[in-house]
Amino acid sequence: DAMVIQNPRYQVTQFGKPVTLSCSQTLNHNVMYWYQQKSSQAPKLLFHYYDKDFNNEADTPDNFQSRRPNTSFCFLDIRSPGLGDAAMYLCATSKELAGSGNEQFFGPGTRLTVL
Amino acid sequence: AQSVTQPDIHITVSEGASLELRCNYSYGATPYLFWYVQSPGQGLQLLLKYFSGDTLVQGIKGFEAEFKRSQSSFNLRKPSVHWSDAAEYFCAVGALTGGGNKLTFGTGTQLKVEL
Repeated sequence: DAMVIQNPRYQVTQFGKPVTLSCSQTLNHNVMYWYQQKSSQAPKLLFHYYDKDFNNEADTPDNFQSRRPNTSFCFLDIRSPGLGDAAMYLCATSKELAGSGNEQFFGPGTRLTVL
Repeated sequence: AQSVTQPDIHITVSEGASLELRCNYSYGATPYLFWYVQSPGQGLQLLLKYFSGDTLVQGIKGFEAEFKRSQSSFNLRKPSVHWSDAAEYFCAVGALTGGGNKLTFGTGTQLKVEL
């Protein structure tokens, strides 16, 4: 089945220690998104890629970076995690940005704990 | 900027009873509207979507939603709730922004089903 895969499902890191979360997709979609979801809150968009074009949300902290080396993979790098970065990180994809193709498909998420 | 309001944080219904979850949106043009469901510790699964056309849309798991432009609403309904429907439900509006597509979520409604 075509899907969005996130690894690892659970990640524990130390305060200030860089961490990378991984997302891959077999849907061959053009767009890949990263969301942050804190406990009992709505997912919040951090940034997205349309193909190789990177779009950062205005309020995304500089501590968060992303890489998309190819169509299938996208990485979320947190350069110096703070306690406030503990959250569920959701990766999503969509075929296109708008119109009937902009339905987003989500992965299962990575739960990040910062000690 | 677009926004979504889900006025009910928690709803409890008995199994077999009908369900309506409320969603109101704010957006200057015709929105793309979505309902997602999230089980604990999981990613988001799309229940249904509205882009244009028929204002009553059918989704998976027996859910439906009706787009009412005059009320800026997109309420989710199910005629008979099953215990497995207990989860968190998110309404979302998708719209093009200067940087590309953005999916804005409501704060969610937690559904509890009593047996």
